[in-house]
Amino acid sequence: SQKIEQNSEALNIQEGKTATLTCNYTNYSPAYLQWYRQDPGRGPVFLLLIRENEKEKRKERLKVTFDTTLKQSLFHITASQPADSATYLCALLHGSSNTGKLIFGQGTTLQVKP
Amino acid sequence: DTGVSQNPRHKITKRGQNVTFRCDPISEHNRLYWYRQTLGQGPEFLTYFQNEAQLEKSRLLSDRFSAERPKGSFSTLEIQRTEQGDSAMYLCASSFAGVRTGELFFGEGSRLTVL
Repeated sequence: SQKIEQNSEALNIQEGKTATLTCNYTNYSPAYLQWYRQDPGRGPVFLLLIRENEKEKRKERLKVTFDTTLKQSLFHITASQPADSATYLCALLHGSSNTGKLIFGQGTTLQVKP
Repeated sequence: DTGVSQNPRHKITKRGQNVTFRCDPISEHNRLYWYRQTLGQGPEFLTYFQNEAQLEKSRLLSDRFSAERPKGSFSTLEIQRTEQGDSAMYLCASSFAGVRTGELFFGEGSRLTVL
């Protein structure tokens, strides 16, 4: 069956360091992979999208990589700040899907300590 | 610009009661999705509309759940005879079908607590 896995353990890092979050998937052929940020009690907010033919995407302090051979995406936040503390969700749009339906991982909570 | 709006934000109800949530999507978006999220989990897909047509429903959506989107604008999600297991955050999201990348715009959610 199709499965998306993110590290369920919270990631605690020191301010200024680079945070790296992992998203692995099985039995998918995604056309796109997306990352969302979710703060407690709020809805997810879109951050970045990467296509299957792209290896890397950057936006300000964020960087996403996509390895379709390993079936893995890495999400990096450089020069992390306490304001980056949140839960980060990866989501896949199935390659054959015309519905726009996204399937989400369980999320990884990041805590950046000052 | 008024993003996706959901009401009520919080609902506490007793088991067996019916509840209804409303979602107003971004006005130019023709796709609308309902997701459910429990603590420590990612959002789980429930159902999806394109304009007024409900095109897909998850097996998670039992017959106690019904969703509508009359006239292709706002949507309602009704849960009948609520059970404690229905306690969750119900998220609505919208998108425009013409954008192939599938970015979803979420509302702030409606949190349901069933006592």
